[in-house]
Amino acid sequence: GENVEQHPSTLSVQEGDSAVIKCTYSDSASNYFPWYKQELGKRPQLIIDIRSNVGEKKDQRIAVTLNKTAKHFSLHITETQPEDSAVYFCAGWGSNYKLTFGKGTLLTVNP
Amino acid sequence: DAGVTQSPTHLIKTRGQQVTLRCSPKSGHDTVSWYQQALGQGPQFIFQYYEEEERQRGNFPDRFSGHQFPNYSSELNVNALLLGDSALYLCASSFQGMDNSQPQHFGDGTRLSIL
Repeated sequence: GENVEQHPSTLSVQEGDSAVIKCTYSDSASNYFPWYKQELGKRPQLIIDIRSNVGEKKDQRIAVTLNKTAKHFSLHITETQPEDSAVYFCAGWGSNYKLTFGKGTLLTVNP
Repeated sequence: DAGVTQSPTHLIKTRGQQVTLRCSPKSGHDTVSWYQQALGQGPQFIFQYYEEEERQRGNFPDRFSGHQFPNYSSELNVNALLLGDSALYLCASSFQGMDNSQPQHFGDGTRLSIL
């Protein structure tokens, strides 16, 4: 089945800096990769997703890139703000028709 | 437009008991997936329901079972509760989740504590 590895597990940046979170996946047939933001005590919230026929997708300060050959995808947050502080999860939809999540990255944006 | 709703919010049970958790999907969604999220971990897939049938299952024992109703709402049942079942149980809904990888939207979850 699909295995999704995520790093770093924790990331601390200064307000205004960029943050990058990276994930790798094992199933070459995986075709859909969402990213979720989860604030403490709240639901995971879908923030951006990308399909395997696209290499990059951007939504305001958030972008996701996908390298199918290397089987890795990354989340980029520019001009970080304190409200970006949360746990971010990557996930992959594999050939087993399941969504497999990474272990998460705790992002802290320091004012 | 109501999002995914789950009930109850919190639940405390003792070992050996049984529990039922409920989920109503987002309007327009027909597929419900259940996840278990332990503290500090990512959500772990339990199973998915589509057209009132279990379509996919993760690595969870038969103590975990579910149901989907004609109105697309769903229940998760856990029998013979163990201490290790303590977790946040999340429901996610999507449209035609089996054959198409559609975005999944989560509810707020049910926090289950086993004493």
